Amino acid sequence: KAGVTQTPRYLIKTRGQQVTLSCSPISGHRSVSWYQQTPGQGLQFLFEYFSETQRNKGNFPGRFSGRQFSNSRSEMNVSTLELGDSALYLCASREQGTNEKLFFGSGTQLSVL
Amino acid sequence: GESVGLHLPTLSVQEGDNSIINCAYSNSASDYFIWYKQESGKGPQFIIDIRSNMDKRQGQRVTVLLNKTVKHLSLQIAATQPGDSAVYFCAENFQGSSNTGKLIFGQGTTLQVKP
Repeated sequence: KAGVTQTPRYLIKTRGQQVTLSCSPISGHRSVSWYQQTPGQGLQFLFEYFSETQRNKGNFPGRFSGRQFSNSRSEMNVSTLELGDSALYLCASREQGTNEKLFFGSGTQLSVL
Repeated sequence: GESVGLHLPTLSVQEGDNSIINCAYSNSASDYFIWYKQESGKGPQFIIDIRSNMDKRQGQRVTVLLNKTVKHLSLQIAATQPGDSAVYFCAENFQGSSNTGKLIFGQGTTLQVKP
């Protein structure tokens, strides 16, 4: 099976712009989670989607949003970008059930100038 | 509060030696723990996991130990190889957020393997 695929791999934006990141989960995985990784804060949970519904959300402002499509692919959007949004954004998928094991993609490296 | 910590930011070992990476967690309600390895430019890669009803689990060259009494988790890597050089993260899942894909990650330990 192919792993979790994230596009694009790198992005450079300026303050005030908005950005959309894409994630394709492992085939058969219906749950998709998003994490932000920075050197200072480490890996922080953004949100999780399952069957096109947001099931849980982390402590991020409303500028961070996401959605999931019927084929389980997911997108996250960040509006009104700030310098502090520069980070590696990781998507992870997992099988439904009691197994919490997440499989991560390689991430999208976002730089806000 | 919700935090998972690692005792050492960097661990340097000689190739062939055994490595032990430690992790302390704060929430006694956590029921699932997992170790990830992250190499430069890549996403975290699953190593091994353990549920709170176990105290030890073995994989290929790796062993995870869980001590719920002192809320401590460790990852042991046998015969460490240069390819093991990476940042290692422990993570926990709280019962309150069970089955929601929300893992709480520690800050990570960098493992350096000297040839």
